[in-house]
Amino acid sequence: GAGVSQSPSNKVTEKGKDVELRCDPISGHTALYWYRQRLGQGLEFLIYFQGNSAPDKSGLPSDRFSAERTGESVSTLTIQRTQQEDSAVYLCASSRGAERGGLGTGELFFGEGSRLTVL
Amino acid sequence: AQTVTQSQPEMSVQEAETVTLSCTYDTSENNYYLFWYKQPPSRQMILVIRQEAYKQQNATENRFSVNFQKAAKSFSLKISDSQLGDTAMYFCAFMKSPLIQGGSEKLVFGKGTKLTVNP
Repeated sequence: GAGVSQSPSNKVTEKGKDVELRCDPISGHTALYWYRQRLGQGLEFLIYFQGNSAPDKSGLPSDRFSAERTGESVSTLTIQRTQQEDSAVYLCASSRGAERGGLGTGELFFGEGSRLTVL
Repeated sequence: AQTVTQSQPEMSVQEAETVTLSCTYDTSENNYYLFWYKQPPSRQMILVIRQEAYKQQNATENRFSVNFQKAAKSFSLKISDSQLGDTAMYFCAFMKSPLIQGGSEKLVFGKGTKLTVNP
């Protein structure tokens, strides 16, 4: 597709269940990001993938959170044993990546997010 | 670590008037980028404008311009001739240049300013 695609757009789950959120980046974008946005708050960095480099996981809030990415394609964010405080919109973004530098460096293209509600 | 501060949680402006959103940041870096992103009610984040720290000239994109004061670490966004479609959350963001050692394409966001344009 032309843009970053995320699924599901909305997810309601019970406390303690595991959830998987999917992100399909723009084709050719080497960099992929996950951010969390709690209601009325700014964006909280979770994890960043860049090509074949080791991901920057410094923003993951606990070991219940993990993310994978296959090559330069789809990424999955997994939250295990969900808690009510995990309720938020999870935003995925992709970018061309500095190694392909020039125009667009630093410009992130965002998906519409996955709204997670933990009951 | 870098921090981004937006001191105005909410602002409003009359259609066709001009409004300025404030942003300050804290960093010891010399090479970096600054951004303003817009998040309308549809949730999808869109890049509004970008400024490279090494450029003295303020960036301009149509009705949007910035006042970049590097020494003061200030990066305000001016919206001229405000339109109803400008109603959105506006986020200021910082990125250490990915083209230098230790750089990254991770964006650090402020908490946002909710702008309402009134008819």
